[in-house]
Amino acid sequence: AQSVTQLGSHVSVSEGALVLLRCNYSSSVPPYLFWYVQYPNQGLQLLLKYTSAATLVKGINGFEAEFKKSETSFHLTKPSAHMSDAAEYFCAVITNTGNQFYFGTGTSLTVIP
Amino acid sequence: KAGVTQTPRYLIKTRGQQVTLSCSPISGHRSVSWYQQTPGQGLQFLFEYFSETQRNKGNFPGRFSGRQFSNSRSEMNVSTLELGDSALYLCASSVFAAGVPYEQYFGPGTRLTVT
Repeated sequence: AQSVTQLGSHVSVSEGALVLLRCNYSSSVPPYLFWYVQYPNQGLQLLLKYTSAATLVKGINGFEAEFKKSETSFHLTKPSAHMSDAAEYFCAVITNTGNQFYFGTGTSLTVIP
Repeated sequence: KAGVTQTPRYLIKTRGQQVTLSCSPISGHRSVSWYQQTPGQGLQFLFEYFSETQRNKGNFPGRFSGRQFSNSRSEMNVSTLELGDSALYLCASSVFAAGVPYEQYFGPGTRLTVT
């Protein structure tokens, strides 16, 4: 079965510092991976997706993620954190049939002024 | 295009009652999924519908049910509510094509409180 593991349920960074949120996947076949962000009292918003076209994927709000097959990872990064980045971040993988997502447990990002 | 809409946004119910939540997907999206989100359990998959058929179901009791209409709108129903059903219920829609992993678009959720 496919799954994703997010290391660190809470991450704190200073404003302007590098953001690194970790996601590892478990899949026997090349996966399709996604990062979503959730702001308080809102639904999830797609940040970026990997569908095998390129290993480095750029998303919205300055975020990007790199697919590393050798490490089964899809970590999310942003060079410089902004106060508005404070939110919950979810990594997700989709089944090969394309009809069920599996979400990680989420990482809450706090940005310290 | 309008996004995914969910109604109502907030609900307060009493234990033992039942509740129906509604979701209208993005126009042209035929796949609708439902999730339960709680602080302790994170995002839990409830079920997914495509063309009025339930294709996948998560590990929830039979009190949780759903359906999809011919216009792709979906409803989920929870009967005999329990305190533990208090959660944010999220609906997501997707364009589906066999073997193509399209992303899901989420609605704002319905916040259900059971007292």
